[in-house]
Amino acid sequence: AQSVTQLDSQVPVFEEAPVELRCNYSSSVSVYLFWYVQYPNQGLQLLLKYLSGSTLVKGINGFEAEFNKSQTSFHLRKPSVHISDTAEYFCAVSSNTGGFKTIFGAGTRLFVKA
Amino acid sequence: GAGVSQTPSNKVTEKGKYVELRCDPISGHTALYWYRQSLGQGPEFLIYFQGTGAADDSGLPNDRFFAVRPEGSVSTLKIQRTERGDSAVYLCASSDKGLAGPQAEQFFGPGTRLTVL
Repeated sequence: AQSVTQLDSQVPVFEEAPVELRCNYSSSVSVYLFWYVQYPNQGLQLLLKYLSGSTLVKGINGFEAEFNKSQTSFHLRKPSVHISDTAEYFCAVSSNTGGFKTIFGAGTRLFVKA
Repeated sequence: GAGVSQTPSNKVTEKGKYVELRCDPISGHTALYWYRQSLGQGPEFLIYFQGTGAADDSGLPNDRFFAVRPEGSVSTLKIQRTERGDSAVYLCASSDKGLAGPQAEQFFGPGTRLTVL
């Protein structure tokens, strides 16, 4: 069975500082990995995804993530955050052998302070 | 274009009642998902439709939960004999790459907040 652990429930950070949101997954098969963002009062939207190939994935709004198979991690990073990045971030995993099920982590609330 | 829409946005019901939650996916999207999100948790998979058929319903918690998608577009999640533990936000998502389901980006609706008193 697959699982996702987001290591921080909340991350407070000052504007223009760098940020890393941590995600670890557990799976016995090859996986696809996703980061979704949920802004206040909006639906989840895709930030980026890793399917195969280059382990460094770039997404929207200046975010990037690195797939590390040996550490089973897919941490999300941004070199300089803005107030508008305040949102809930969800890491998710799926696979070809998991049916069509996508497993989401519990989420990390990023709070950007002025 | 229009995104995924869900109605109602909020639903308050009494324990034991029956409820229906509706999802209108993005036009042309063949894949549709239902999730349940409890407070402080991530979305929890309930069911996946490819076209009109439920290709994976392994996430439905029990037989009180049922979902249909009779014409391959709009879907309805039905909950019988609601319990207080059913209170959550129910999310719907759609995708236009049904055959590549596990790899596909999902487009989420705003959710229906269900409160069972």
